Amino acid sequence: DGGITQSPKYLFRKEGQNVTLSCEQNLNHDAMYWYRQDPGQGLRLIYYSQIVNDFQKGDIAEGYSVSREKKESFPLTVTSAQKNPTAFYLCASSMRVRGRSNQPQHFGDGTRLSIL
Amino acid sequence: QKEVEQDPGPLSVPEGAIVSLNCTYSNSAFQYFMWYRQYSRKGPELLMYTYSSGNKEDGRFTAQVDKSSKYISLFIRDSQPSDSATYLCADYSSNTGKLIFGQGTTLQVKP
Repeated sequence: DGGITQSPKYLFRKEGQNVTLSCEQNLNHDAMYWYRQDPGQGLRLIYYSQIVNDFQKGDIAEGYSVSREKKESFPLTVTSAQKNPTAFYLCASSMRVRGRSNQPQHFGDGTRLSIL
Repeated sequence: QKEVEQDPGPLSVPEGAIVSLNCTYSNSAFQYFMWYRQYSRKGPELLMYTYSSGNKEDGRFTAQVDKSSKYISLFIRDSQPSDSATYLCADYSSNTGKLIFGQGTTLQVKP
């Protein structure tokens, strides 16, 4: 079955520690996205990538980093600089049609990150 | 003012009721509109996708867009307890290339 796999489902971070969230897709989508979801605030865009080896900051990129070395994979690192990392993190992907990025995004089932 | 506004609810209805979920948006550059359903501890699932004013129907779900008043709605007919979830509207801006989400409306359908 095609889809987006996020791991782990739950993650705990100690103070001063970097942690990496995994996102893999087998939908052959070019574009991938990372969102953060907090209660009552909807989804906020952290980083996105339209093509391999290229990515752009979203609205709340500070304290996060990403890489896009393979089409299928878009890992997110939550660094120690992110002072309030407790949230539900969602990865998404979408097709790109003739250069347009308005195609619907499909989501994984998220990683819940908490502070120890 | 947020670019996409939703009443967070919660909205509670009896089984079989018609549910109306609404979103307003402020940016005229929004061209494409989506509704997602999100169950607890799961990722959002795409329900409806439309880009024009008017109605789009899919089974028990109807998406309605009124660009003149910047208002979008999702109607659920014959609601079921399995429809209990958070519903997110999302609007795509060709100016920024980003999808902007409302904060979601929590729906509970009671048997």
